[in-house]
Amino acid sequence: AQRVTQPEKLLSVFKGAPVELKCNYSYSGSPELFWYVQYSRQRLQLLLRHISRESIKGFTADLNKGETSFHLKKPFAQEEDSAMYYCALSGGSNYKLTFGKGTLLTVNP
Amino acid sequence: GAVVSQHPSWVICKSGTSVKIECRSLDFQATTMFWYRQFPKQSLMLMATSNEGSKATYEQGVEKDKFLINHASLTLSTLTVTSAHPEDSSFYICSADSRADTQYFGPGTRLTVL
Repeated sequence: AQRVTQPEKLLSVFKGAPVELKCNYSYSGSPELFWYVQYSRQRLQLLLRHISRESIKGFTADLNKGETSFHLKKPFAQEEDSAMYYCALSGGSNYKLTFGKGTLLTVNP
Repeated sequence: GAVVSQHPSWVICKSGTSVKIECRSLDFQATTMFWYRQFPKQSLMLMATSNEGSKATYEQGVEKDKFLINHASLTLSTLTVTSAHPEDSSFYICSADSRADTQYFGPGTRLTVL
């Protein structure tokens, strides 16, 4: 079975502060990990995926297989980063996504 | 690119009636579409995986006779909530695969059953 855990329901930081949204996963095979973001009143959209190893909007995430983690990081948070962030895992050939419960990030001015 | 639409965006219906929700991939062909349900302040729960031209695969606990899914073409999948009841009120979201490994999400449909 595949499972994604986001331990923080809410995370509040000040503008310019570093931010880290935690994600841990459980999967017996070789997973593919994603971060999705949902801004207020907007649809869910892909932020980044581990195989791309890219930085989007200043966010990065590294897959740590030893710790089964895929934490999302940004060195300097901006107010426009305030949103709901979901970590998701895809495993197997059917490309189903299993989502974590999400973390609501609030960046205060 | 990779835009997914849903129609309607919201619907209110009486208990016992059926409601159809459409999911379209506007600028790409989607072999696979997914249907999710999201309760307030909760995460997305996968309901079923829909493959064009074949029967949908439902997740454990999802009644296939209650939630009918049809994926008649590479750009359209429909979810019909049959004999809806108040407990079916929720936010239903679809996604489509533009290639074999990335899902793009629709804006969602809010269903309220009176």
